[in-house]
Parts: sequence; structure tokens; C-alpha cells
Amino acid sequence: NAGVTQTPKFQVLKTGQSMTLQCAQDMNHNSMYWYRQDPGMGLRLIYYSASEGTTDKGEVPNGYNVSRLNKREFSLRLESAAPSQTSVYFCASSEELVSLHFGNGTRLTVT
Amino acid sequence: GDSVTQMEGPVTLSEEAFLTINCTYTATGYPSLFWYVQYPGEGLQLLLKATKADDKGSNKGFEATYRKETTSFHLEKGSVQVSDSAVYFCALTYSGNTGKLIFGQGTTLQVKP
Repeated sequence: NAGVTQTPKFQVLKTGQSMTLQCAQDMNHNSMYWYRQDPGMGLRLIYYSASEGTTDKGEVPNGYNVSRLNKREFSLRLESAAPSQTSVYFCASSEELVSLHFGNGTRLTVT
Repeated sequence: GDSVTQMEGPVTLSEEAFLTINCTYTATGYPSLFWYVQYPGEGLQLLLKATKADDKGSNKGFEATYRKETTSFHLEKGSVQVSDSAVYFCALTYSGNTGKLIFGQGTTLQVKP
């Protein structure tokens, strides 16, 4: 009954450090997404993957890269973290438009 | 471009009060509309949806009607409970754009006993 699992839950980075946020889903969904949530701005799409082997930019892709490792896993990488990337990051998956399932989020602070 | 605007929060109500959270949208086409809810420390969950004008979405006592003439999708509940305290997000997307939701900024609801 796991759904969408994100790791880690919390992370603190120094400016310029790199890290990868991990996401896995066990619902056999084709599509996966990364959103960031900032106060007063709702959620904004960073990258998405409509199916295994494909990735596309969303609204705010700068400073991020993604990898769709297989159908289950979709990772988000920050190569050189900046304070502007302090945010809460959500991974989601879906098979159809009405079934968007979110993980519990990763709270990232960049100092 | 397309956008979603929600009323600013926080909204603070007493238990059993009537709830309205306003949501209006700007869209170039005919989007589907959604309400998501986020409980503390959790991800977003779909609360209800409507895919065409005049559709009413409903779930757990919450309702919202897709009003094309006023470009609105206001969320209502007749009697709120403390357990309804959460952040509520209005969102839109288009058929074929699975998952590429455009969200409003979210409205925090606090219900006091």
C-alpha cells in the first residue's frame, strides 16, 4: 500500500553541493512528475515523464535534471544547489488524468 | 497564459460552519478543474473534479460546480469539522495533458472546535 515513495524526507545542502531526490511508485503508472511547492505560489511543474524512456521540461526546469530509470523510478538531480532551490519537492504519478498520486514530499533547504 | 487564482487565507472557521473557498481561472480552452487537499506533512490528494461546464464534483461532503460563465470553481461544504483543517488547492488541466496541472496558490483552512 506504499503508492509513491520519496527519499529523503528532509535535506540541508550548502550552495554548490549536488544531490539526487529519489522517487518510486508501485502502481504501474506510465507517467511521473516532479513539482516544487513554494509559499504563496502553489505547485509548479519542474519535469515530467510521460512514459519510460521519455522526459520533458515543465514550467521551471532550470537548475534541475531528471532520469526515468525504469517504469517505477524517476529521480531529480540538483547539480549545483542554490538558495533559490529551497523548497518542498513532490513527486507524483498517474495513469489517467484523474488519478494523480503524490508522495509525501522532500523538504530541501539550501544555505 | 492559463492561470488559477484562489482566495487568500488562512480561513478560520468554527466547527459546523459553512465553508466557501473561492477559485477562478483564466483559460484559453475548455479545461478540466480539480480541487486537491493537503493535510499537514502529507502530499496532495485529489478531493473532487469536474470535466465540463455545469458539472458538479463532490466528495466527503465537499462540492464544487464548474461555472463557465463566471470562470469559477468554488469549493463548498455545509458543515466543516476539525479534521477538514488542511490546505486546499484549485487546479486545471487540459485533456491529453495528464499531470500537467496548473495550481492556484492554495488556501489554508483552520477549523476550531
